[in-house]
Amino acid sequence: AQSVSQHNHHVILSEAASLELGCNYSYGGTVNLFWYVQYPGQHLQLLLKYFSGDPLVKGIKGFEAEFIKSKFSFNLRKPSVQWSDTAEYFCAVNAQYTDKLIFGTGTRLQVFP
Amino acid sequence: ETGVTQSPTHLIKTRGQQVTLRCSSQSGHNTVSWYQQALGQGPQFIFQYYREEENGRGNFPPRFSGLQFPNYSSELNVNALELDDSALYLCASSLYGQGTYNEQFFGPGTRLTVL
Repeated sequence: AQSVSQHNHHVILSEAASLELGCNYSYGGTVNLFWYVQYPGQHLQLLLKYFSGDPLVKGIKGFEAEFIKSKFSFNLRKPSVQWSDTAEYFCAVNAQYTDKLIFGTGTRLQVFP
Repeated sequence: ETGVTQSPTHLIKTRGQQVTLRCSSQSGHNTVSWYQQALGQGPQFIFQYYREEENGRGNFPPRFSGLQFPNYSSELNVNALELDDSALYLCASSLYGQGTYNEQFFGPGTRLTVL
């Protein structure tokens, strides 16, 4: 069965610090990979996605993620976080040609000014 | 363009009761998926509806059921509520047939508390 692991449950950073959130998935076939963000009081929003091609994908608000197939990983990065990045971040995967998303347990990011 | 809307926002029920949650899909979308997000967890896929029929189901018991209407809106029904059903229920809509993946857009969710 497919699963997604997010290693960091709670991350606390100061503004301007760099961010890297880990995500590993278990599935042997072709997958699509996603990072979603949930700001306080708001609905889930797509941050970025990887379907194929360049393994380094760029998303909104300066976020990027790198797909490393050999490590089954899709880590999220941002060079310099802002207070407004405080949110819950979810990594998700789905098998190609299905719409069922499998989510990780999420990482709560707190950024202090 | 109207986004995904859900009602009600919050709901409190007692064990054994039944509940119906509603979702209006984003304009132009024809598919609705439902997810359950327990506290401290990621969303878990319940099922998806396309053309008014169930089109895939996650690991949820039959007391979780759904409907999709001709206008593509959807209902999630849960019978014989249990305490563990307390969660945020998310609806996501998409346009089926766009390719290898049909991007899902999420609503704000319905917070269900079972006492």
